Amino acid sequence: QITLKESGPTLVKPTQTLTLTCTFSGFSVTTPGVGVAWIRQPPEKALEWLAVFFWDDNQHYSPSLKSRLTITKDISKSQVVLTMTNMNPGDTATYYCAHSRLNYWGQGTLVTVSP
Amino acid sequence: DVVITQSPLSLPVTLGQPASISCRSSQGLVHSDGNIYLNWFHQRPGQSPRRLVYKISSRDSGVPDRFSGSGSGTDFTLQISRVEAEDVGVYYCMQNTHWPWTFGQGTRVEIK
Repeated sequence: QITLKESGPTLVKPTQTLTLTCTFSGFSVTTPGVGVAWIRQPPEKALEWLAVFFWDDNQHYSPSLKSRLTITKDISKSQVVLTMTNMNPGDTATYYCAHSRLNYWGQGTLVTVSP
Repeated sequence: DVVITQSPLSLPVTLGQPASISCRSSQGLVHSDGNIYLNWFHQRPGQSPRRLVYKISSRDSGVPDRFSGSGSGTDFTLQISRVEAEDVGVYYCMQNTHWPWTFGQGTRVEIK
């Protein structure tokens, strides 16, 4: 059974760095073809793909956010970590992690950016 | 970037009647491996998205057969043969053939 769960702060201040952790089970990011993706959704708006990290350490980022995003992994903990620098109110959203095939998603975590 | 355009953005439907959502991509979606990675997701209020269809027309496990995907080139469609109350929510078309992966704006389905 595959599960994913996001964790991290619910409130960050402008200019701060956001660190979100995706803890997963039922699969491994060392399996060929497998990875973890991050997607976000501002309140009442559409889904936006952010980044994906693959088993071979290959990473892809949204071009509009690439300078602010970094993905790392901790295989021993079955975790993938997303960091986003220089947060601003426009980054307020529910952040989801998902299996790279997008057939399994976490419950999402709402992050609000406010002074 | 590949722009995904969905229509309509809002779709009032009658229970038991069919419904159709269109998705158009700004360029072809054929991957170098020959597949077309065009997906459909359904998101109910307060829930995470759920993938319904992948590679244009393959239904995910547990997805009712009243949902069907079709299309080719740059035009794709999700059809619901007979709408049920649980089908309300927002439907998203999404491509993961080209980088960056991109979603459509979403189509909100509601019962009349």
